[in-house]
Amino acid sequence: AQSVSQHNHHVILSEAASLELGCNYSYGGTVNLFWYVQYPGQHLQLLLKYFSGDPLVKGIKGFEAEFIKSKFSFNLRKPSVQWSDTAEYFCADSAYSGAGSYQLTFGKGTKLSVIP
Amino acid sequence: NAGVTQTPKFQVLKTGQSMTLQCAQDMNHNSMYWYRQDPGMGLRLIYYSASEGTTDKGEVPNGYNVSRLNKREFSLRLESAAPSQTSVYFCASSGGGGDTQYFGPGTRLTVL
Repeated sequence: AQSVSQHNHHVILSEAASLELGCNYSYGGTVNLFWYVQYPGQHLQLLLKYFSGDPLVKGIKGFEAEFIKSKFSFNLRKPSVQWSDTAEYFCADSAYSGAGSYQLTFGKGTKLSVIP
Repeated sequence: NAGVTQTPKFQVLKTGQSMTLQCAQDMNHNSMYWYRQDPGMGLRLIYYSASEGTTDKGEVPNGYNVSRLNKREFSLRLESAAPSQTSVYFCASSGGGGDTQYFGPGTRLTVL
């Protein structure tokens, strides 16, 4: 079965600090990888995704992620965080589950708290 | 475009009561999903529908049923609610093929 691991449960940073959130996925053939963000009290929104091509993917709000196949990793980065980045971040992997359907497997999430 | 809408936003039930959570999407997506979110557990798939007329169990289907009413609507039913079903429920939809899933605003359910 597909699995996704996020290394940090809670990360606390000061504004302007750099961010890197770890994500590892289990091997499952073709990879469709995602980072979603959930701001307090809101629903999940897509930050960025990787299906193929350039392993460095740029998303919204200055976020980027790097796909490293040899390490089964898809880490999320941002050079300088802002207070408004306080949220929970979820890594996810989409895998084919048969009969034309795909399932997303989520990591347990990383809460990011940015201190002004 | 409203995207994915869910009703109700909040609900409190007593143990043993039943209720249906409604979900609708206006993006002409083939696939729809129901998840539950619990603290420290991420999102776990309850049921999904790859296309109109099909439904399949996800990771945590026990205690739930679903209906894909038409291409737009996908409902989740709790026949006899239990405190363990206290959670936030999210509906999502996608065009299929492993593409991006778009999420609704969620329903916060408390079972006493």
